[in-house]
Amino acid sequence: DIQMTQSPSTLSASVGDRVTITCRASQSINSWLAWYQQKPGKAPKLLIYGASNLQTGAPSRFSGRGSGTEFTLTISSLQPDDFAIYYCQHYESYPVTFGPGTKVDIK
Amino acid sequence: QVQVVESGGDVVQLGRSLRLSCAASGLTLNSFHVHWVRQPPAKGLEWVALISTDGTNKVYTESVKGRFTISRDNSENTVFLQMDYLGIEDTAHYYCALEVRSSGRAGCFGTWGRGTLVTVSS
Repeated sequence: DIQMTQSPSTLSASVGDRVTITCRASQSINSWLAWYQQKPGKAPKLLIYGASNLQTGAPSRFSGRGSGTEFTLTISSLQPDDFAIYYCQHYESYPVTFGPGTKVDIK
Repeated sequence: QVQVVESGGDVVQLGRSLRLSCAASGLTLNSFHVHWVRQPPAKGLEWVALISTDGTNKVYTESVKGRFTISRDNSENTVFLQMDYLGIEDTAHYYCALEVRSSGRAGCFGTWGRGTLVTVSS
């Protein structure tokens, strides 16, 4: 199985900050990488697919980059609504697996 | 309004069975590959199972093979997850998720239900 890791596990930031989360795969997944946002008590919400494509309805302050084994999710200017947990997920093959999550909280 | 709604979650004893349902409204479920993803309380996400649009292709994560069965009834716009021989480790929120982006070999999930909680007690 392909293992996904994320760093940092927790990130403390302020409104307006530029924030970057890193996701790494244990082997190449090309660009088959998605990012999700999850708030307490809610289902995850797809933000980015194909490593860099913004899902319809996701705010443009979210962007993704990378290919192969290393990927990043960047929030250009953190908003109050962005404090949440972010997960990456590969979909190169089954089983798809998720990273352990990065919690973005208020500094 | 486009949505999927899970039901069937409950408190169940170790070793017993439970069937979850995923019903759709505002969309035709048979247009989508449908997945179950679970999340133990306060933990991360784990993909569980997939069923293809026509029900002919089913894939499971290793830990549930032989215990869980995914099925669908397209006439009822519903997908099911039959869970047998439940263990403590199966305690989780179970989400129904629709595949919307595919690599051709697997996919990611653009529509999720709110989840249903399965608690396995000893």
